[in-house]
Amino acid sequence: DAMVIQNPRYQVTQFGKPVTLSCSQTLNHNVMYWYQQKSSQAPKLLFHYYDKDFNNEADTPDNFQSRRPNTSFCFLDIRSPGLGDAAMYLCATSRGSGQGRNQPQHFGDGTRLSIL
Amino acid sequence: AQSVTQLGSHVSVSEGALVLLRCNYSSSVPPYLFWYVQYPNQGLQLLLKYTSAATLVKGINGFEAEFKKSETSFHLTKPSAHMSDAAEYFCAVSETGGFKTIFGAGTRLFVKA
Repeated sequence: DAMVIQNPRYQVTQFGKPVTLSCSQTLNHNVMYWYQQKSSQAPKLLFHYYDKDFNNEADTPDNFQSRRPNTSFCFLDIRSPGLGDAAMYLCATSRGSGQGRNQPQHFGDGTRLSIL
Repeated sequence: AQSVTQLGSHVSVSEGALVLLRCNYSSSVPPYLFWYVQYPNQGLQLLLKYTSAATLVKGINGFEAEFKKSETSFHLTKPSAHMSDAAEYFCAVSETGGFKTIFGAGTRLFVKA
């Protein structure tokens, strides 16, 4: 089945120690998204890629970076994690056609990040 | 700018009872609307989407939603709740001219035996 896969499902890191979360997709979708979701809240968009074009949300901290080396993979780098960065991180994809507005997003199962 | 408002952060129903989760939208153009479900420790899964083809949209797991322009609403319903429906439900609208999705705050559905 075509899908969005996030690894690892659970990640523990130390305060200030860089961490990378990964996402891969077999859907061949142009658009990939990274969301942060805290308990009982809606997902908060951090950034998205349309092909190789990177789009950062205005309120995404500089501490968060992303890389998309090819269509299938996307990475989230947190350079110096703080306690407030503990959350579920969700990767999603969608088709980037001319009718992109009506395309749903396909989500991975997320990586739950804990900060010690 | 588009937005959605979900009325009620928590809804509790008995097994077999009607499920009604409320969503109102704000959009200056015809909206594209979605309902997603999230089970514990999982990502979001699309339940259904409205793209102007029909006002009553049927989704997975027996859910449906009706688009009412006069009320700017897109409420989600299911005739008979099942224990497995207990989850968080998000109403969402597509951004005009872009690929972003704006999510509501979510409604947690509890189903009592």
